[in-house]
Amino acid sequence: AQSVTQLGSHVSVSEGALVLLRCNYSSSVPPYLFWYVQYPNQGLQLLLKYTSAATLVKGINGFEAEFKKSETSFHLTKPSAHMSDAAEYFCAVSDGDKIIFGKGTRLHILP
Amino acid sequence: DTGVSQDPRHKITKRGQNVTFRCDPISEHNRLYWYRQTLGQGPEFLTYFQNEAQLEKSRLLSDRFSAERPKGSFSTLEIQRTEQGDSAMYLCASTPSGSSYNEQFFGPGTRLTVL
Repeated sequence: AQSVTQLGSHVSVSEGALVLLRCNYSSSVPPYLFWYVQYPNQGLQLLLKYTSAATLVKGINGFEAEFKKSETSFHLTKPSAHMSDAAEYFCAVSDGDKIIFGKGTRLHILP
Repeated sequence: DTGVSQDPRHKITKRGQNVTFRCDPISEHNRLYWYRQTLGQGPEFLTYFQNEAQLEKSRLLSDRFSAERPKGSFSTLEIQRTEQGDSAMYLCASTPSGSSYNEQFFGPGTRLTVL
């Protein structure tokens, strides 16, 4: 079965600093991978997805993620954090017709 | 495109009562999913439909839970004899027909509080 592990349930960065949220996956087949963002009391919004077309995937709001098969990783980055990036971020992997989510990482932005 | 909508957004009920939630997917999305999200956790898959057929149910979906999608459009999720452990956010998502990547579009969720 497919799974994802997000390292760090909470991450704090200063405004303007690099954002790095870590995700490792486990998959028996070439995976489809996703990053979703959730703002308080809202549903999930897709940031970006990896579908094997390119290993570096660019998403919305300046986020990007790199698929590294050798490291089974799909880390999410943003060069410069903004206060509006404070939210919960979920890495996910497609498992047949389902999506399996990680436990999430809450991103805090320090002024 | 009005997005996935869910109703109600919040529901407070007493233990033992029945509750029903509704999800309206994006028009012409043939797959519809239900997830449960508890505090500090990611969404957990409950069940999904392709058109009106319920194709898979998680073992999390006890016999107190039932979901329907009678005409392949909106869906309802009913919880009978609610328990305090049912308190969670219930999320609905839909997927376009023919999607190879299973990209899911989520609604805002229904937050259930069982007292």
